[in-house]
Amino acid sequence: TQLLEQSPQFLSIQEGENLTVYCNSSSVFSSLQWYRQEPGEGPVLLVTVVTGGEVKKLKRLTFQFGDARKDSSLHITAAQPGDTGLYLCAGARGGGGNKLTFGTGTQLKVEL
Amino acid sequence: GAGVSQSPSNKVTEKGKDVELRCDPISGHTALYWYRQSLGQGLEFLIYFQGNSAPDKSGLPSDRFSAERTGGSVSTLTIQRTQQEDSAVYLCASSLGSVDTGELFFGEGSRLTVL
Repeated sequence: TQLLEQSPQFLSIQEGENLTVYCNSSSVFSSLQWYRQEPGEGPVLLVTVVTGGEVKKLKRLTFQFGDARKDSSLHITAAQPGDTGLYLCAGARGGGGNKLTFGTGTQLKVEL
Repeated sequence: GAGVSQSPSNKVTEKGKDVELRCDPISGHTALYWYRQSLGQGLEFLIYFQGNSAPDKSGLPSDRFSAERTGGSVSTLTIQRTQQEDSAVYLCASSLGSVDTGELFFGEGSRLTVL
């Protein structure tokens, strides 16, 4: 059972365009993380959001945690080829924590 | 070491053979995770170790899969009688503690190909 659905699954855009990736679930999470993974490497953490409605910015990337803590979005402004990669959301259930449940992934390609 | 180390980086085996994948986590990290990733897809949870507690094995797909963590450090994931559907990248990650607000540090993965 996949608890976190990401959309779109694939995205190919031109440099300079804006884009939004969505991460949705019917479950409530105590926190949600976004990772980026490049070919041949493990995922690397971009951000953690913990409060419903929270918005975090990381340069051209804006992350939002839904008010009900069931969904999140990642918005990239003026995408660059260096943003190319697999974007993964991951939710934690809390209560002392154990595993992170990862989303289905969004493969982004930014072309010149 | 500086990061999470996994070996081998690539493993090609024949159907029915056993394989062992090794993970050396970041020193001092009490939590260790194994995930499996099919090409370009999300990560599938396999097993989680936290300190001396009993591991969470709820993600292991069959009894052909097992893992151990010796001395609270190095972990080995064993797949017995491999099948073609076991082909994937196996990722190991470690963290200082709870994932509620912490960060998982991943290795580069072990790519397994079962012929």
